[in-house]
Amino acid sequence: AQKVTQAQTEISVVEKEDVTLDCVYETRDTTYYLFWYKQPPSGELVFLIRRNSFDEQNEISGRYSWNFQKSTSSFNFTITASQVVDSAVYFCALSRGSQGNLIFGKGTKLSVKP
Amino acid sequence: GAGVSQTPSNKVTEKGKYVELRCDPISGHTALYWYRQSLGQGPEFLIYFQGTGAADDSGLPNDRFFAVRPEGSVSTLKIQRTERGDSAVYLCASSSGTLYTGELFFGEGSRLTVL
Repeated sequence: AQKVTQAQTEISVVEKEDVTLDCVYETRDTTYYLFWYKQPPSGELVFLIRRNSFDEQNEISGRYSWNFQKSTSSFNFTITASQVVDSAVYFCALSRGSQGNLIFGKGTKLSVKP
Repeated sequence: GAGVSQTPSNKVTEKGKYVELRCDPISGHTALYWYRQSLGQGPEFLIYFQGTGAADDSGLPNDRFFAVRPEGSVSTLKIQRTERGDSAVYLCASSSGTLYTGELFFGEGSRLTVL
């Protein structure tokens, strides 16, 4: 069965600190997709990244970076030099195979204090 | 606005009542998804439409839940004989492609409280 585990329920950092949000997944599918979404207090989920199972190349987008390691079934997300506006709940999600819908983790609430 | 619109934003009802939640997707988006998010949890898939037809309704928890999208645009999620356990935020999302080719745009959700 597919499963996504975000072990960190809440993280609190001070502005400008780097922070890594962990995501571990379980699947028996050979083709699948992994996602990260941000949910600010307004409640609207915002897409951050999609990665397919054949692409283990790490990605950097501004202050955001993602580390995908199939050997450990992890897809971790790092925010460099965090800002107050980064405060939100972050969700990691896994697709059911290559066509199925998403299974979300329980989310990590990030609080960035000034 | 140009985003996904959901109404009502808040709905309080009594156990046993019937409820309808509406989703207005981004114009031109053929794919529409409903998710349910309980407090402290991640969103849970309910149903997916491609055009007018339900391509995957495997997430609907039981036959009290039903969704339609008659003209391939607006969708309505219908809940009969509501129970307290149905209390959650119901999220709608739309996409011009699939999960794997296009970005999924979410609405702000409809918060349902069943007393």
